Amino acid sequence: KAGVTQTPRYLIKTRGQQVTLSCSPISGHRSVSWYQQTPGQGLQFLFEYFSETQRNKGNFPGRFSGRQFSNSRSEMNVSTLELGDSALYLCASSLGVDQPQHFGDGTRLSIL
Amino acid sequence: GNSVTQMEGPVTLSEEAFLTINCTYTATGYPSLFWYVQYPGEGLQLLLKATKADDKGSNKGFEATYRKETTSFHLEKGSVQVSDSAVYFCALSVSDYKLSFGAGTTVTVRA
Repeated sequence: KAGVTQTPRYLIKTRGQQVTLSCSPISGHRSVSWYQQTPGQGLQFLFEYFSETQRNKGNFPGRFSGRQFSNSRSEMNVSTLELGDSALYLCASSLGVDQPQHFGDGTRLSIL
Repeated sequence: GNSVTQMEGPVTLSEEAFLTINCTYTATGYPSLFWYVQYPGEGLQLLLKATKADDKGSNKGFEATYRKETTSFHLEKGSVQVSDSAVYFCALSVSDYKLSFGAGTTVTVRA
């Protein structure tokens, strides 16, 4: 069974640009969550989608947004990039409440 | 709110040594508890989980017991190998899909 797939693996952008990251969940998983990992803040929850609806959102500015498609694939978008947005962005999928979340290998975003 | 506190690293051990990483939590409601492991350049892998008090999660020689009375979920392994070198994260979720993570503990095992 294929795991969670995130593309691209690496991305370099400059301040002010916008970026879109993609996540394909494990087949049959309808919940997709996104996390930001940085050395200073650790792992922080961004948002979670289920059946194309955002059900839960972390404490991030509105520049961070996401969506989920009917096939459960998800994208997250960051607009007006700042240096502090440099991070590893992790996507996770899950079967249901209290079920483990399975993570992809992440997208490493670097802002110059 | 929900939070997880885990012992700070880094932790350096010799092969075959005993490993323990302390984890305590604060949660509203009844959390499920998890340990995840992250190897360099990779995402997080679920190591083990426990969903109710006194449950013991185990996998690959690692164990952790959900202790409600002490709000703890300490990770242990009796004999570590070089391949266990990684960053370990304790995490919880409370009836939702949001995981709250500890800061992570870097473990290095020397041959």
